[in-house]
Amino acid sequence: NAGVTQTPKFRILKIGQSMTLQCAQDMNHNYMYWYRQDPGMGLKLIYYSVGAGITDKGEVPNGYNVSRSTTEDFPLRLELAAPSQTSVYFCASSSPGTNEKLFFGSGTQLSVL
Amino acid sequence: QKEVEQDPGPLSVPEGAIVSLNCTYSNSAFQYFMWYRQYSRKGPELLMYTYSSGNKEDGRFTAQVDKSSKYISLFIRDSQPSDSATYLCAMRLIQGAQKLVFGQGTRLTINP
Repeated sequence: NAGVTQTPKFRILKIGQSMTLQCAQDMNHNYMYWYRQDPGMGLKLIYYSVGAGITDKGEVPNGYNVSRSTTEDFPLRLELAAPSQTSVYFCASSSPGTNEKLFFGSGTQLSVL
Repeated sequence: QKEVEQDPGPLSVPEGAIVSLNCTYSNSAFQYFMWYRQYSRKGPELLMYTYSSGNKEDGRFTAQVDKSSKYISLFIRDSQPSDSATYLCAMRLIQGAQKLVFGQGTRLTINP
């Protein structure tokens, strides 16, 4: 039972480069989320999705894009990486009606230099 | 003013001590209140949740919600070194239920 799987675990980008953070879940959850966690700042919602083909912005969406073509996958795209995007990124999923219980992946630590 | 405020610590206590972790919030419309535990280099995992005001107990853990004061607490009794982690409070509305608002997290260390 894999749960929520994120790849890669670590990545270093140069300013202006682009990359995609991958997220997959095998629990058949409708809802998926992307958060970023900065030291001492808690978790900030970037984007979320309530089902395939449906996405919406969270609190800090600028500089990111998402797509949801299947129930299982929810990739996060960074275009023109900036130092301010240095953070730990977490993908999570949940079922409708139990949104208090998010299942998180183990995170991607991203540094933009 | 942040919607949810949590003392980031760090908090260090001896094994066996009672630990109190707290969050305050400003939005009176929050209805669901959660505590997540996050071990180093791992994603958060749900520890406890409560709906509206009141207490909830699960083993050594007790969650309290005081909506009149906009204040929630997590108590850990007989703390163990394995309780060493960052604890994040989170809350959500009923409307727009997809969005959780997290506190900053409190880093807790239990010393043997």
